Amino acid sequence: EDKVVQSPLSLVVHEGDTVTLNCSYEVTNFRSLLWYKQEKKAPTFLFMLTSSGIEKKSGRLSSILDKKELFSILNITATQTGDSAVYLCAVKDAGGTSYGKLTFGQGTILTVHP
Amino acid sequence: GAGVSQSPRYKVAKRGQDVALRCDPISGHVSLFWYQQALGQGPEFLTYFQNEAQLDKSGLPSDRFFAERPEGSVSTLKIQRTQQEDSAVYLCASSLTEGFHEQYFGPGTRLTVT
Repeated sequence: EDKVVQSPLSLVVHEGDTVTLNCSYEVTNFRSLLWYKQEKKAPTFLFMLTSSGIEKKSGRLSSILDKKELFSILNITATQTGDSAVYLCAVKDAGGTSYGKLTFGQGTILTVHP
Repeated sequence: GAGVSQSPRYKVAKRGQDVALRCDPISGHVSLFWYQQALGQGPEFLTYFQNEAQLDKSGLPSDRFFAERPEGSVSTLKIQRTQQEDSAVYLCASSLTEGFHEQYFGPGTRLTVT
């Protein structure tokens, strides 16, 4: 059974701080790892990672995957109050009957104070 | 916008009532997923459709849960004889195919069973 563990479960920082969110996984046939940001509504897509060592970047957010050690990190630099949200990590299994369903971690609750 | 929409956004049901939750995926998206998200947890897979075919229903928690997508676009998740443990947010997601494409989520339906 696929498994995703995120840490820390919650994090409180002040504006301007840099944060690193962790995601470790166990999956039978790895296809991809995805990061989502969830505020009080739909999870919104951030990154999809398929290859080790290639950083994906979008503004102040970046993410990298290590397929050997089975983990990914999401970095947010110069945090803003608008970054406050739950960050979800999910893996997609490439197995024949998995049909691309996502297995999610519990999420990291990030709170950014002014 | 042309995102995933869900209705109703909130539903309160008395224990034992039947409910129907609707999902309108992004036009042209072949794959449609339903997830259940309990408070403080990450979403958990319920079922998957490829066009009108329900190819995976392994995540449905009981035979009280039923989903359909008769014309390959709109989908309905039905819960019969609701129980308190069914209280959760039900998320719908669609993607172009099940393969290497990210999933886009709707805002969810928050179901409260009293």
